[in-house]
This record gives sequence, structure tokens and C-alpha cells, in this order.
Amino acid sequence: AQTVTQSQPEMSVQEAETVTLSCTYDTSENNYYLFWYKQPPSRQMILVIRQEAYKQQNATENRFSVNFQKAAKSFSLKISDSQLGDTAMYFCASLNNAGNMLTFGGGTRLMVKP
Amino acid sequence: DGGITQSPKYLFRKEGQNVTLSCEQNLNHDAMYWYRQDPGQGLRLIYYSQIVNDFQKGDIAEGYSVSREKKESFPLTVTSAQKNPTAFYLCASSITGRLKDSNQPQHFGDGTRLSIL
Repeated sequence: AQTVTQSQPEMSVQEAETVTLSCTYDTSENNYYLFWYKQPPSRQMILVIRQEAYKQQNATENRFSVNFQKAAKSFSLKISDSQLGDTAMYFCASLNNAGNMLTFGGGTRLMVKP
Repeated sequence: DGGITQSPKYLFRKEGQNVTLSCEQNLNHDAMYWYRQDPGQGLRLIYYSQIVNDFQKGDIAEGYSVSREKKESFPLTVTSAQKNPTAFYLCASSITGRLKDSNQPQHFGDGTRLSIL
């Protein structure tokens, strides 16, 4: 069974600054996928970024990037130049080896302050 | 526009009643999923279906039932056996049941909030 842990229930950041959200996971698989999802107040789940474990290069999507530390089983999300629209719940998730089930962490509520 | 439609947005249930949540997708996706989200918590998988007429239990299937008679529809029934049904329910779909095959592993609906009267 996979587990995903997000140790920061809530965080805040000033607009235009940088914030890092933490995520650790546990899996026995050698090849796996990790994701960050955003859930704004509208409750829609939006994929932010994904990382394939066999790729050493950290994934980047515009202002969003990850710090993937495979040995430490750590997968943090960095948001640069934070914007008010980044205010949301952020969920880290891992994909099982069969590729058909996602396991989600408990989420981090991020508030971007003007 | 293609997407996933969940209805209703809000649903109320009396004690001892079964209630069915609707999920329809026009994305031509093979796989569909139901998640439960409690306040301040992440999503937990209830049931999933990789193909029509087939479905599997997720982590918290007790007190729930599903059917997959059509590719585009995956209704979830919350039965009276589910002792704590108050939650937010999210439906999702993916192109295949193998989420590694797609850059967008799952598309999500807007959710249904179920409350007990």
C-alpha cells in the first residue's frame, strides 16, 4: 500500500514571494509517478504538475516546480511569484504500479496575501 | 465542451434512505472513479471502473454501490449501511485505466455535497 503525507495543514505567503509545500511518500515500487493537484474554493481539482520517478530532472511548469528527492521519498512543490489566484488546497498524490489508482495526501491549505 | 457533469450539486438524505449521485462524462474515457473528501482531508477512493460492466472496490467501499452499464455514466449509490455519509463526493475519469498513459491522469467533476437531515 502507498502512503502520502503532507505535514503542513496550512501555509501563507505574500503575493509575489516564493513558497514551498512539503510532501513525503512511501512506496515499494521502483517506477512510479507523483502529482500535485490544486483545489481552489470552487472545489474543482486541477493538475498542477507531474513527475516520473525514473526522470532525474525536476519537473517545471511555468511558476511551479518540484524538488524530487527520490532517496528521501520527498516531493515538494515550489510556487514562485505567488499570485492571489494560487490560493487553494494543494494535494500531493502518488500513482500505484498498475497505474490505475491515485493515493492522495491530506492536503495543504495555501493562502496568498496581498 | 467536453467534461464531467455531477448532479446534483447539493443533496440531502434522511436517515435510513439510499441516495444516488450522478456522474456523466462526454470525454469518451474508459475509466471512471468516485472519491470521498471529508473536511480538511484528502481524497479517498470509493470505487473505480476501468471498462463498461466492470468495477472494483477502492479503499472505502463499504456502504456504497456503483454500476457501469454505459461508458459515459458511473452512478454512485450511498446506502443506509454507510453510517457517516456526510461528505463531498468527487467523480473523475481518465482516458484509460492506466493513468501512466496520459499527461492528464484524471479529469474531475465539480462534486456533490451530501448532507444528512
